[in-house]
Amino acid sequence: RKEVEQDPGPFNVPEGATVAFNCTYSNSASQSFFWYRQDCRKEPKLLMSVYSSGNEDGRFTAQLNRASQYISLLIRDSKLSDSATYLCVVKDTDKLIFGTGTRLQVFP
Amino acid sequence: GAVVSQHPSRVICKSGTSVKIECRSLDFQATTMFWYRQFPKQSLMLMATSNEGSKATYEQGVEKDKFLINHASLTLSTLTVTSAHPEDSSFYICSARLLTGDYGYTFGSGTRLTVV
Repeated sequence: RKEVEQDPGPFNVPEGATVAFNCTYSNSASQSFFWYRQDCRKEPKLLMSVYSSGNEDGRFTAQLNRASQYISLLIRDSKLSDSATYLCVVKDTDKLIFGTGTRLQVFP
Repeated sequence: GAVVSQHPSRVICKSGTSVKIECRSLDFQATTMFWYRQFPKQSLMLMATSNEGSKATYEQGVEKDKFLINHASLTLSTLTVTSAHPEDSSFYICSARLLTGDYGYTFGSGTRLTVV
């Protein structure tokens, strides 16, 4: 079983749509969780950290369910510029463990 | 913000040759650097963790004699792919953990290696 699992997609959505990505992780002792964004052939960039209470940053909302070992990312009012691969990331001691990523394509 | 400069951004080499990738922390000291590899449509896979002044720690399945890591200073870590083969063609990215501020991670811009 992979340490961090995501649906690879792609998710093809029109501008303005709301889209949700899910992720599960295997190590129940993990303490820190993140969503990263990766554009094609580029390095990943931190989108937001994920906290147990859930957190929001503009159009992006992240949630964590420790009991289910489940993380989600909700994007509202999708923009063309949101097209990218979204990586679910779990911190294991000092290391970041990446999911395979979910590809999002927003079309006009 | 903290920046990691990674070079080269792209390299094409012949099979059997060695390639060195450098990552420099420009405005902070990186005591620990992480090296990742990403094949097309796959996740970033951690290859090894390098610590300044000591031997790198390799992940299971990564050949330490093939992927030589040197972290001789607090601002420079290098990854050398020795005797490269076409299956080593991949996107290699380094990352450093910040020891101040938000204690986050900063990534190099990546190196796309093609072995022909």
